[in-house]
Order: sequence, then structure tokens, then C-alpha cells
Amino acid sequence: QSALTQPPSASGSPGQSVTISCTGTSSDVGGYNYVSWYQQHPGKAPKLMIYEVSKRPSGVPDRFSGSKSGNTASLTVSGLQAEDEADYYCSSYAASNNYVFGTGTKVTVL
Amino acid sequence: EVQLVESGGGLVQPGGSLRLSCAASGLTFSGYYLFWVRQVPGKGLVWVSHISGDGTTTSYADSVKGRFTISRDNAKNTLFLQMNSLRAEDTALYYCARGGLPAAFVYWGQGTLVTVSS
Repeated sequence: QSALTQPPSASGSPGQSVTISCTGTSSDVGGYNYVSWYQQHPGKAPKLMIYEVSKRPSGVPDRFSGSKSGNTASLTVSGLQAEDEADYYCSSYAASNNYVFGTGTKVTVL
Repeated sequence: EVQLVESGGGLVQPGGSLRLSCAASGLTFSGYYLFWVRQVPGKGLVWVSHISGDGTTTSYADSVKGRFTISRDNAKNTLFLQMNSLRAEDTALYYCARGGLPAAFVYWGQGTLVTVSS
């Protein structure tokens, strides 16, 4: 149950795009289309942004998109806005009926 | 308003026990997977445990297996986490979450802080 690997930080100017990677193994990210992404502002609970690799829950802007290739999933935030500055975590369903989160990425809007 | 409210956290000595509760309002727990996720302040999220909608299937992270027990009371719309043999490394903010979309943590509480220290 090792954490999925994410870059510690990412940044972009308002209006630009930023992409965050999430690397696992064939026992989690690569083995299932059950990757989800969460946004967490300081002192707040996480918020679901993407589920099943690329689906957006109701209310999440279409600036947020997800994809997966092999053992690596990605979250792209297009048209960056100031309120997108937050920590982002990926999560994957894993073998043996477990779940695993990523190490987290701090997104800074320059 | 949809709310999940955790309670039961606090300061406990190593080897001690705590029972966390998570009560829902504005949404139902019945039929949905429920989860416990923890986070050391300033660190990342860690899945702890989950329970199926009917309560028949449970799963635990290796780090808590044999020490923690998840349970639910659908009639009272409440989720529990019995934590025994607590260790310093169990110190964290504990969130409850409800499913509702495939393999996703859809609704989250605000967390209850557990501190294990002598």
C-alpha cells in the first residue's frame, strides 16, 4: 500500500494550464479505471473533482479534466484561476479491495 | 444542507482506545459505501478503512488492521471507527466520507483530531 507518486508542486499563471501526474502500479492506477482527484484548500475538507479517471461530478467546472495512460493518471486544470490554488490528491482503487492516495501536489497560481 | 459531522477525537495515551463517530444530516448513509481517511496536519491523505452499504464487507489499511474496527448503524445514519492499541503514528485528523460515485469519496466531513501522546 505505497502512496501514489505526485510532484510536490506545480504552478501556472492565470489563464494558463497546469497538469499534475499521479504514478502508481499495475495493482492500482494501471489495473483499474477508478482514479479520482481531490482538491483541498487550507483548513478545509477535500472536494471530489474527478472520478473514474475522467468524469466530473455535478458542479465541477469543465476546466478540470482527467486522463490515464498505463500506470500514470493526470489531472489538467485549464484556464487557471486564483481559486484553483490548493493541494490536489489523486486516489485509486487497488487490489485486495483497498484504496491508495497520492502524495499530493501544491498548485500555485502565479 | 448536506453535513457529515465527526466526533469522538481527543488526546489519548499510547495503548489506549477511542471510538470515532460520524453522523450524517441532509443525506442518507443507507446503501452507500462509507470511508475513514486520515491526514496528519500538513501531510497527505491516507485511506484507513471502508465498509460496504449493507455492512457485510470491510477493509483496512495494513497499518491499522487488527487494531481498528469500522461499523455502521444505517437506522441512525451513523458511521463508527473503534480504535484500539493506539500508537503515536495514529495521530491525525480523521475524516469520514460517503461514496455515491464509483470508487470515489463524494461527501466529506470536517474531521476530528486524534492525538496519541503520553
